[in-house]
Amino acid sequence: KAGVTQTPRYLIKTRGQQVTLSCSPISGHRSVSWYQQTPGQGLQFLFEYFSETQRNKGNFPGRFSGRQFSNSRSEMNVSTLELGDSALYLCASSLVATGQETQYFGPGTRLLVL
Amino acid sequence: DQQVKQNSPSLSVQEGRISILNCDYTNSMFDYFLWYKKYPAEGPTFLISISSIKDKNEDGRFTVFLNKSAKHLSLHIVPSQPGDSAVYFCAAVGSSGSARQLTFGSGTQLTVLP
Repeated sequence: KAGVTQTPRYLIKTRGQQVTLSCSPISGHRSVSWYQQTPGQGLQFLFEYFSETQRNKGNFPGRFSGRQFSNSRSEMNVSTLELGDSALYLCASSLVATGQETQYFGPGTRLLVL
Repeated sequence: DQQVKQNSPSLSVQEGRISILNCDYTNSMFDYFLWYKKYPAEGPTFLISISSIKDKNEDGRFTVFLNKSAKHLSLHIVPSQPGDSAVYFCAAVGSSGSARQLTFGSGTQLTVLP
């Protein structure tokens, strides 16, 4: 079974621009979560989608948004980019959104904002 | 306010010895804990987990111990191998209804010296 895939793998943008990142979950997985990883901060939870609905949201500004499609693929959008948005963005999928499901991570998209 | 803390950013261990990675948490609502391993340029991969109803879970060379009264968990790797060199994240899951969220620590870089 193919793993979680994320595109693009690397991205360079300038301040003020917007960016869209894509995540394809493992086949059959219906939950997709997004995380931001920066040095020394670990993984910060952005949001989780399940069956096209946002179920949970972390403490990030409204510039960060996402959506999930009927095939469970998810996109994340960041508008009006700031230098501090430079990070590794990881998505993870799991079968269901409740319970103690293990999340499986993609390789991430490394975003550099200049 | 970090609810999951890994106070040691790095740890070096000789090959064949035991590696002990520690993690503390503050939220008593967490009832499921996981350890992930992350190599550079890859997403985190699930290693081992433990439910709060247990105090120990073992899988091959990896054992996780949970001390609920101290809100502390640890990952033991015996014997350590050079291929274990990676960043290790502990994560915790709360049991608040259907909203599931993984809260990660900031990670510990383990280096196993040959």
